[in-house]
Amino acid sequence: NAGVTQTPKFQVLKTGQSMTLQCAQDMNHNSMYWYRQDPGMGLRLIYYSASEGTTDKGEVPNGYNVSRLNKREFSLRLESAAPSQTSVYFCASSEGTSGGLYEQYFGPGTRLTVT
Amino acid sequence: GEDVEQSLFLSVREGDSSVINCTYTDSSSTYLYWYKQEPGAGLQLLTYIFSNMDMKQDQRLTVLLNKKDKHLSLRIADTQTGDSAIYFCAEKSGGSYIPTFGRGTSLIVHP
Repeated sequence: NAGVTQTPKFQVLKTGQSMTLQCAQDMNHNSMYWYRQDPGMGLRLIYYSASEGTTDKGEVPNGYNVSRLNKREFSLRLESAAPSQTSVYFCASSEGTSGGLYEQYFGPGTRLTVT
Repeated sequence: GEDVEQSLFLSVREGDSSVINCTYTDSSSTYLYWYKQEPGAGLQLLTYIFSNMDMKQDQRLTVLLNKKDKHLSLRIADTQTGDSAIYFCAEKSGGSYIPTFGRGTSLIVHP
């Protein structure tokens, strides 16, 4: 089991460029999440998905779009990158879609710099 | 919304005990977690406690929960340099599948 994988590991973009961050999990989990991590701000939830075809906004969705392509894959798209989107992006998954202990499993992160 | 607060930094000497504290506001929190993030990596679940428990011990780790004060702590005995990491407190109510994370406490262990 690879767990949660993310590509790419590192990316540098110029302001205004677009890109898609890819995430896949092989644990047959129902729920998937995208977070960003900034110094002193902890983890902030961007979008989440409880099942294929459904997505919901988290705390900081502006400037991002997501696609839950199938049960395994959840991608995050930046249509027009801005320096404020420089961050480390983490994808996570968990088994549950309702109450329960449901540990989150995290990918290794994508380190994005927008110049 | 609900909030989880942690201090940002803790520095300890190798061999000492570390205590990382967390407070939360959601009175319906059912599950409380500690996640560990090592440098350059994602978060991994370290331990958890149910809201009907006061204490949980797992080898060098002791979790204490004061539900009345909404206070959670993680004690690491005999702290080693390999324990240097960011520790995140998180809580989740029984009806939700999305946890609320604190900002993380950077634990620095020096010789």
